[in-house]
Amino acid sequence: LAKTTQPISMDSYEGQEVNITCSHNNIATNDYITWYQQFPSQGPRFIIQGYKTKVTNEVASLFIPADRKSSTLSLPRVSLSDTAVYYCLVGDNSGNTPLVFGKGTRLSVIA
Amino acid sequence: DTGVSQDPRHKITKRGQNVTFRCDPISEHNRLYWYRQTLGQGPEFLTYFQNEAQLEKSRLLSDRFSAERPKGSFSTLEIQRTEQGDSAMYLCASSLGQGPPQRGNTIYFGEGSWLTVV
Repeated sequence: LAKTTQPISMDSYEGQEVNITCSHNNIATNDYITWYQQFPSQGPRFIIQGYKTKVTNEVASLFIPADRKSSTLSLPRVSLSDTAVYYCLVGDNSGNTPLVFGKGTRLSVIA
Repeated sequence: DTGVSQDPRHKITKRGQNVTFRCDPISEHNRLYWYRQTLGQGPEFLTYFQNEAQLEKSRLLSDRFSAERPKGSFSTLEIQRTEQGDSAMYLCASSLGQGPPQRGNTIYFGEGSWLTVV
């Protein structure tokens, strides 16, 4: 299983753009990159998923360079409600291999 | 709401008692997963099912733990003779299962069931 490395914590002010980078040097050809958000006492919530280049949805953008050894989750204009733990995971998405979570990045948004 | 549903959301039990958690996956999702999460840690994989077949079990799943998915729909996770170390949030998740790689195979989580063993 590809391992991921991401910062343990980040702080940001409201209204700023936040970029969380994840390293996955051993990503396999069939692996997708998936990001989850988790609030205290709740289950992880799917944010975005991508394979290469850029993916954007109503919540975030995901930037993946050509070598796919890293990815960056971009949250535009964060608010206090974006304070959460963000997990970066890689997996082949066939469902045959369960996703493995690390400790994630704890984002604190400050007013 | 048609998301993953877990019951009960909170359970306090005395050490040595048995507890059972139920998970109802998203309709038509044939894959169902159980994870455990303790404070400050990411979710840890316990086991997963494809339809009614239990395909993989983590070493974390001791013989006191048993999971079933008898009809390929809802699932139960039972913990026998609970210990204080079992206190955690138990997360259930589901996914559509195998599909074209381009579609991905997103795993959706429920809100979790908190267990406190006293």
